Amino acid sequence: NAGVTQTPKFRVLKTGQSMTLLCAQDMNHEYMYWYRQDPGMGLRLIHYSVGEGTTAKGEVPDGYNVSRLKKQNFLLGLESAAPSQTSVYFCASTGQPFYEQYFGPGTRLTVT
Amino acid sequence: EDQVTQSPEALRLQEGESSSLNCSYTVSGLRGLFWYRQDPGKGPEFLFTLYSAGEEKEKERLKATLTKKESFLHITAPKPEDSATYLCAVDRVQGAQKLVFGQGTRLTINP
Repeated sequence: NAGVTQTPKFRVLKTGQSMTLLCAQDMNHEYMYWYRQDPGMGLRLIHYSVGEGTTAKGEVPDGYNVSRLKKQNFLLGLESAAPSQTSVYFCASTGQPFYEQYFGPGTRLTVT
Repeated sequence: EDQVTQSPEALRLQEGESSSLNCSYTVSGLRGLFWYRQDPGKGPEFLFTLYSAGEEKEKERLKATLTKKESFLHITAPKPEDSATYLCAVDRVQGAQKLVFGQGTRLTINP
């Protein structure tokens, strides 16, 4: 099992450019999450999904969109990147609400 | 609003010097409190889940405890490989699991 994988690992964007981050899990988990991690702020939830075809907003959703067309994949999109979106992005998944989340290795995004 | 505060922000210990990390929380109905370990440049790795006050869990040199307002992560006789950032998160009882994380405690164990 690969667990949770994220693509790409690193990316540099210019202000106004768009990109999509891909998260894939091979554990047949229903729930998937996107977080951002900034120094001194801890992990903050951007969007999440409770199953294929569903998405919901988390704590900091502005400027991001998501899609869950397949159960194993969760995509995070930035339509018009801003310097404030410079961060490390983590994807996670879990099988049940009581269970632990499994995290991917992260994507380091810099917006100049 | 759910809140999680971890202290201290950073802690340096000598190898073998035991100590505790604190996680204070406010949440309207706790479903679970989670501890994770995060190494530099990597994603968080799950350690423990605690569900109710009085519960304790152990793994090697780590023991997590829970009260109605806080959780402690006790580290006994730590080794340099225990150096990492330790994250605490809470999930409330309603709806889908949505973790609220503290800012973490950066632990350094000197040989």
